[in-house]
Order: sequence, then C-alpha cells, then structure tokens
Amino acid sequence: EAGVTQFPSHSVIEKGQTVTLRCDPISGHDNLYWYRRVMGKEIKFLLHFVKESKQDESGMPNNRFLAERTGGTYSTLKVQPAELEDSGVYFCASSQGTGHRETQYFGPGTRLLVL
Amino acid sequence: AQSVTQLGSHVSVSEGALVLLRCNYSSSVPPYLFWYVQYPNQGLQLLLKYTSAATLVKGINGFEAEFKKSETSFHLTKPSAHMSDAAEYFCAVSESGGGYQKVTFGIGTKLQVIP
Repeated sequence: EAGVTQFPSHSVIEKGQTVTLRCDPISGHDNLYWYRRVMGKEIKFLLHFVKESKQDESGMPNNRFLAERTGGTYSTLKVQPAELEDSGVYFCASSQGTGHRETQYFGPGTRLLVL
Repeated sequence: AQSVTQLGSHVSVSEGALVLLRCNYSSSVPPYLFWYVQYPNQGLQLLLKYTSAATLVKGINGFEAEFKKSETSFHLTKPSAHMSDAAEYFCAVSESGGGYQKVTFGIGTKLQVIP
C-alpha cells in the first residue's frame, strides 16, 4: 500500500513568489492534515480536512495561505505571496476514523526555502 | 490547551546502552500521547501511542513508553541502543475522546548513537 506522498520534496523560491505544495493521502483516508516545522521550532498544526471540507483551520498563519482538497482526494497548499518566515518543512498526514482508532500517517515533507 | 516539553534537544548514548528520552505533557483533559521518529530524509513514523489502556506501551523496534499521570510524563526507553536508532524523536499529545486528533508536538530530540 502506498503511503502519503508529497510534491515537491524541495522548493526554493524568492520572496513574493507563489508556491503550491501537493499532498496525496493514503487511499481511502478521509482525514488529511497539514503541519509545518519552522527551523528549530516545533511541528505545528495548520489545518484539517475531512473529505473535501475544512474541519479546523485554526493553525493557518494568515490569509496568504490557501488550502484546498477538491473531491476529497489530494490536497494543495498555496502560499501567495511567499515571505521569508514561510520557510520550513511542510508535512501532510492522513488518517481514517476518530478517537483512539485514529492513527495519522505522515508524508516525507516538502522543504520550502524562501529567499 | 495542551503542550509538550521534551528535555534535551540532543542526546548521545553508546551502542548497547539504555536509551531514555524524556517527555512531559500538559493537557486540560485526559490525553492521547504519541512518540514519532523521523529518520533522515524520511517522514514521521509512529513508534507507539497511549490511548488510555495499559500505561506501559510497547512500540516498534524495541521501544516502549510509560504513561505516569502523577508526573505528567511519557518517557521513551529502549534497553539497548542500536546504530540504526539514530534519528530525531518527537513526543506529541492530543485530546482524548471521540473527536479528531489535533496533535501538538514537542520540539524534538536528536538521538546520536556512538559506536
């Protein structure tokens, strides 16, 4: 069974440019989460989809970040325009179920560097 | 509100020695607790999780952790370190119950195993 995949693995862009990150969850997983780790800091929750609906987006830093999950399959996270402080590793995770039955499976992350 | 404190951002042990990675949590409700591991250039992998059943939780690769409510701790141990255990380890917490797991991570502990 394929795991969670993320594309690209690395992205280097200039301040003010736009970047779109993609996450493909494990097939059949309704839950999809985005997290971010800024260098030297904790991994922090950004948002959570259940199928195509945003369940919780309380961790999104500001309105420069837009996440979508059309059709309830893959998800994209767009940063427009990117700022220096957006640099970090963006992780995606997927899961099925709730409560103690839920286990989140993480992708390898996208390393974003904004210059 | 919930939080996690991992004591020691870097830990070094000799091969064959005991591994002890410390984690203390704070949660206003009974927690679910997790340990994840990240090997170089890979995603986060779940080592083990506590979901209010047995307080001593056994995970993969010989790791285990004990939930101690009185100490609000969930330390990770392994009797004998192997070179392949060198990685970064993350303690994490989420609220228990039937809802989705909004996970809060610690800052991570990098484990170095010395031959």
